[in-house]
Amino acid sequence: LAKTTQPISMDSYEGQEVNITCSHNNIATNDYITWYQQFPSQGPRFIIQGYKTKVTNEVASLFIPADRKSSTLSLPRVSLSDTAVYYCLVGGNQGAAGNKLTFGGGTRVLVKP
Amino acid sequence: GAGVSQTPSNKVTEKGKYVELRCDPISGHTALYWYRQSLGQGPEFLIYFQGTGAADDSGLPNDRFFAVRPEGSVSTLKIQRTERGDSAVYLCASSLGPSIMGNEQFFGPGTRLTVL
Repeated sequence: LAKTTQPISMDSYEGQEVNITCSHNNIATNDYITWYQQFPSQGPRFIIQGYKTKVTNEVASLFIPADRKSSTLSLPRVSLSDTAVYYCLVGGNQGAAGNKLTFGGGTRVLVKP
Repeated sequence: GAGVSQTPSNKVTEKGKYVELRCDPISGHTALYWYRQSLGQGPEFLIYFQGTGAADDSGLPNDRFFAVRPEGSVSTLKIQRTERGDSAVYLCASSLGPSIMGNEQFFGPGTRLTVL
């Protein structure tokens, strides 16, 4: 199983870029990397997904090096409402025996005024 | 449109009791997932359904846990002989296609289970 490791927390200020790195050293060939945002008392919400290189959407970018042993979520110009817990999820080949979807422990991001 | 809904939102029970947690996925979503989230931790995968069948139940911690999805829509997670260690938020998610690759998982708000 792909075990994931993330920093426990990080602080930032409004308008700054926040980069969160997730380590997944034993990622499998057919695993995807997905990042989620979670507010208190809510379920996680999808942010971005990728397999390799760089993916960008309207809210974030995801950088994945060639060896795929880590990934970095980049949040440009954060605001106070971006204060949340961010999770990386590795997996995706459902149905394959033992291939469970594995969330990281989450990174608590605090955006200060 | 309606998202994933879960009932009840909170459930308090006594050790040894039986509980059922319900998930209503987004209409048309064939894939359904159950996760368990303990305080301060990431969601822990329990089981994945594709249609009516459990395609991967390798995350269920023991045989006290069971889930069904008889008509390929609503799913029920059943826990027998509850233990205090079962206390957690149980999350349900659904997605349009059979794999999260390229298909966004939509999560419900969760059911907070407390076993006294």
